[in-house]
Amino acid sequence: SQTIHQWPATLVQPVGSPLSLECTVEGTSNPNLYWYRQAAGRGLQLLFYSVGIGQISSEVPQNLSASRPQDRQFILSSKKLLLSDSGFYLCAWSVKNYGYTFGSGTRLTVV
Amino acid sequence: AQSVTQPDIHITVSEGASLELRCNYSYGATPYLFWYVQSPGQGLQLLLKYFSGDTLVQGIKGFEAEFKRSQSSFNLRKPSVHWSDAAEYFCAVVSSNDYKLSFGAGTTVTVRA
Repeated sequence: SQTIHQWPATLVQPVGSPLSLECTVEGTSNPNLYWYRQAAGRGLQLLFYSVGIGQISSEVPQNLSASRPQDRQFILSSKKLLLSDSGFYLCAWSVKNYGYTFGSGTRLTVV
Repeated sequence: AQSVTQPDIHITVSEGASLELRCNYSYGATPYLFWYVQSPGQGLQLLLKYFSGDTLVQGIKGFEAEFKRSQSSFNLRKPSVHWSDAAEYFCAVVSSNDYKLSFGAGTTVTVRA
């Protein structure tokens, strides 16, 4: 069966520090991968998606970047965090657009 | 522009009462429709989805949703809510020729005893 792992679950980082959030998927090949952000009291905003290794599409201009070094690995990064980067980050995978499975999320607080 | 609207930010319902959450979408192509539930601090769990066929879709936890193309709606219903149904509910839509899943702003459901 397919599973998705996302870590860490919570993270508190100072402003200006780097960020690396990792997401891995098991039990499927060549999935589409996504990073969403959920700010407090708001819906989910698509940040990045990837349809293959090394292929990254950015949805909104921001302080973050994404990479896909392996087929089932998706990484969200920042060189210098801003206060506005705080939020709940969710990784997801899909096969085409037939269904989207989400990870358990990372709560990022930038202080 | 494509959009998903959940008109109700917060709904309070008594345990045992019925629940209906509204979702309207605006998409040019054939939409694929989803409802997700999120408990506090947790990820998203899929309740049900609609791609084609029967417009009344059954999901997990006793939920169902009805696709009405003429009204561009995909409302979620449950005949009798349980205290454990208190959570945030998200409607989501993707075009049949796209990959990007777009979400509504969510509806928070509070269940009172």
